[in-house]
Amino acid sequence: QVQLVQSGGEVKTSGASVTVSCKASGYPFNRYGITWVRQAPGQGLEWMGWVNTDNAETKIAQKLQGRVAMTTDTSATTVYLDLRSLRPDDTAVYYCARDKDGYSDFDHWGQGTLVTVSS
Amino acid sequence: SYVVTQPPSVSVAPGKTASLTCGGTDIGRKNVHWYQQRPGQAPVLVIYFDSDRPLEIPERFSGSNFGNLATLTISGVEDGDEADYYCQVWDSGTNHAIFGGGTKLTVL
Repeated sequence: QVQLVQSGGEVKTSGASVTVSCKASGYPFNRYGITWVRQAPGQGLEWMGWVNTDNAETKIAQKLQGRVAMTTDTSATTVYLDLRSLRPDDTAVYYCARDKDGYSDFDHWGQGTLVTVSS
Repeated sequence: SYVVTQPPSVSVAPGKTASLTCGGTDIGRKNVHWYQQRPGQAPVLVIYFDSDRPLEIPERFSGSNFGNLATLTISGVEDGDEADYYCQVWDSGTNHAIFGGGTKLTVL
């Protein structure tokens, strides 16, 4: 079965960087992209961007450009989200989700990773 | 950028039908996807491409999309349907995915 397993929670201070991983299994890794979505405490869902696991092409939300990188390791069937220059308002649960082509639905989700940023 | 609007809350009695809406200019020309998120859990896809349903989702869940309004309909509402529901579209203008603000469904 399709599974997306994310790395554990992180606690960071303002200005630091964080990396969240998302290991995929149960399907041909390179045939589906991965979308990242975050959810601040008590808030709605926010799309962060998408990475093509076949050619590493990315689409990044405009408000996060310059601070976010999304990369893939095909041999490890793992996608990474890097977020730099962390601020307290980056505190959120970060989800990865499978998205075939960057325009479709998000049909399977990881369990979420809580990133807490303190000032 | 494209804006998608959902009512913050909807309440329905068990066994009744809940209609959750997602409004946007000419949203009928876009593909709308719906997610259910129970407290403390990751979202789950319940409807994709306006009205298609993943195999594991009960037939009680259905979707439609026309004009300026997309609708998720849950018939025979059960206690376990109590959750937040989000609609999502792709905005070709900004090349971004857009989520609605979410609707909290309360089962009375």
